Amino acid sequence: GAVVSQHPSWVICKSGTSVKIECRSLDFQATTMFWYRQFPKQSLMLMATSNEGSKATYEQGVEKDKFLINHASLTLSTLTVTSAHPEDSSFYICSASASGTENQPQHFGDGTRLSIL
Amino acid sequence: QQQVKQSPQSLIVQKGGISIINCAYENTAFDYFPWYQQFPGKGPALLIAIRPDVSEKKEGRFTISFNKSAKQFSLHIMDSQPGDSATYFCAATSGGGADGLTFGKGTHLIIQP
Repeated sequence: GAVVSQHPSWVICKSGTSVKIECRSLDFQATTMFWYRQFPKQSLMLMATSNEGSKATYEQGVEKDKFLINHASLTLSTLTVTSAHPEDSSFYICSASASGTENQPQHFGDGTRLSIL
Repeated sequence: QQQVKQSPQSLIVQKGGISIINCAYENTAFDYFPWYQQFPGKGPALLIAIRPDVSEKKEGRFTISFNKSAKQFSLHIMDSQPGDSATYFCAATSGGGADGLTFGKGTHLIIQP
């Protein structure tokens, strides 16, 4: 149980394009999902908290107009990197925890490696 | 400000030995402390987690020791195996786990056969 799926797993695109990444909780409902960013050989940094049916909460220094988050249902959150540039190249990872119960651990997807040429 | 400090950065342990990774936190609002294991190209996988009202938690070969007064916690991997070779991250959060995680910088663990 507690499987989180991300799609795509790898994407390469030209500078200036927008890229959408999907995060799905496959066997549980998640009121809240989280988006993290990880540079090579570094730690994960929280970018934003995605809340079903409401606006996402962004961490300090993360551009909300650059990284659009939509959490349309209890099993799906999307991250759109708009007008991507080479400095946006990174490993993007989402996590989710089950709704309605305290002390539920966050389960992570396998990440999306984004390469902007 | 790094809120969760993790050490060592890298660790080499012989097969069958004990691997020990340490973390310290600063934010007293943290109330949930998970450990994650990450293999290259994959997302982190939850290993074990602890709340500050417990001083130790054991699951199989993995044990978390927690010292609330010192604001420190550690992961012990008993009988370390080559398959345990991975990067390990400690993390902390508030709200009983409902908030986003603050990660340590990670420990690259190598278990030598």
